[in-house]
Order: sequence, then C-alpha cells, then structure tokens
Amino acid sequence: DVVMTQTPVSLSVSLGGQTSISCRSSQSLVHSDGNTYLYWYLQKPGQSPQLLIYKVSNRFSGVPDRFSGSGSGTDFTLKISRVEPEDLGVYYCYQGTHYPWTFGGGTKLELK
Amino acid sequence: EVQLVETGGGLVQPGRSLKLSCVASGFTFNNYWMSWTRQAPGKGLEWVASITNSGGSTYYPDSVKGRFTISRDNAQNTLYLQMNSLRSEDTATYYCTRGMAYWGQGTLVTVSS
Repeated sequence: DVVMTQTPVSLSVSLGGQTSISCRSSQSLVHSDGNTYLYWYLQKPGQSPQLLIYKVSNRFSGVPDRFSGSGSGTDFTLKISRVEPEDLGVYYCYQGTHYPWTFGGGTKLELK
Repeated sequence: EVQLVETGGGLVQPGRSLKLSCVASGFTFNNYWMSWTRQAPGKGLEWVASITNSGGSTYYPDSVKGRFTISRDNAQNTLYLQMNSLRSEDTATYYCTRGMAYWGQGTLVTVSS
C-alpha cells in the first residue's frame, strides 16, 4: 500500500500569516493515464471533510486562492496564505492513483 | 447543489450485518463513480469501497474485502454499503462521496456487544 506521510502533525499559525504542509508518498503518484491523483482536504471540527485541491494544484469549486498546491512524483505541499479563522481544522492529503487509495495521517492547524 | 444523505447507521453486535444507504441529488447520478470512506472516532480517514458509474466494477481495500459489498441503484439515485461479519474495528462514521470530491454528512456505525 502507498503510505502517505504528512508533516508536521500539528501547526500553530497567526491569523493573517502563511504556512505550509508537506505530504510525501512511498511511491510515485503519477498514474498510467498521466495524471497525479493527489488531493488535499480540510476537515473542520464536527464537519465532513471538504475538498480543497485536486490533482496536485487545482483548486476545487469555491476554494479561495489563499490555498495552493504544488509538487510532483512523491513530494507535495499545500500552502495557506493570509490564514483566516475558518481555515482551522485538520488537513489531509490523499492519493487516488494506486489501490488501495490512502490518506495521510492529518495535520492539525491551530491558532497561535 | 450536490447533496448526499447517508442513513442506516446504528449500534450492531460483532458478527452481525448492517446496510448503509446514500441518497444522491443535484447531479446525474449514473455519470459518476461513488465511494464510501470511513473515520473511526478521533482517527483519520480510510477509503472503504468504490463503484464505477455503471456498477460494473467495484474496488475494496483488504481490510473489508469479502465482508463489505458496495452497490448502486441508478434508477433510485442511491448508493449502498452492505456490511457483514462486523468487527469492533469497523466502528466509524461512514461517508458517502461522489468521486472523492463531494461528501455527505456521514452516518455512525458502532459495533459493540
């Protein structure tokens, strides 16, 4: 199985600040169709996960441009700029390239 | 607006069965793969099952293969998850997703004697 390793496990950030989360996979996430199925989700307290970024760097509908994704192969990053209160929660990376599809362990974003 | 509403969760004894349902609306159901993903209390996310838009192919991780069955009724815009031989480690909130992009609110399954 592809292991998704997220770092850090927790993160403290000031409102208006910038931060980033790393996600590394145990094997390349490039699919045979040429796409890289690396997604980022945010799960706010008491809510279902919500998709932020799909296929490495594409913002999902309604996601503000404060969120950006980058990376390739096995190394990926989610950047959050101008952090707002509604950005707090747990962030997960996910790979849908290899079965079984797997998630990272999560990164909890808290206010400093 | 895409809506996914899961039902069928509850308390069940180990070894018993339970069937979850997910009613979809706001999109053309038979155009999309559908999936189930779960989250144990206080833990991370685990993909559980996926089914192609026609229902012709299904996919599972080893943790549930042979015990869980995903199916769909495209005429009723409904996704199902039949869970057999339930174990305590299956205790989780089960989410229905459309293409891993849209998620329902989840339904809690508790496996305990």
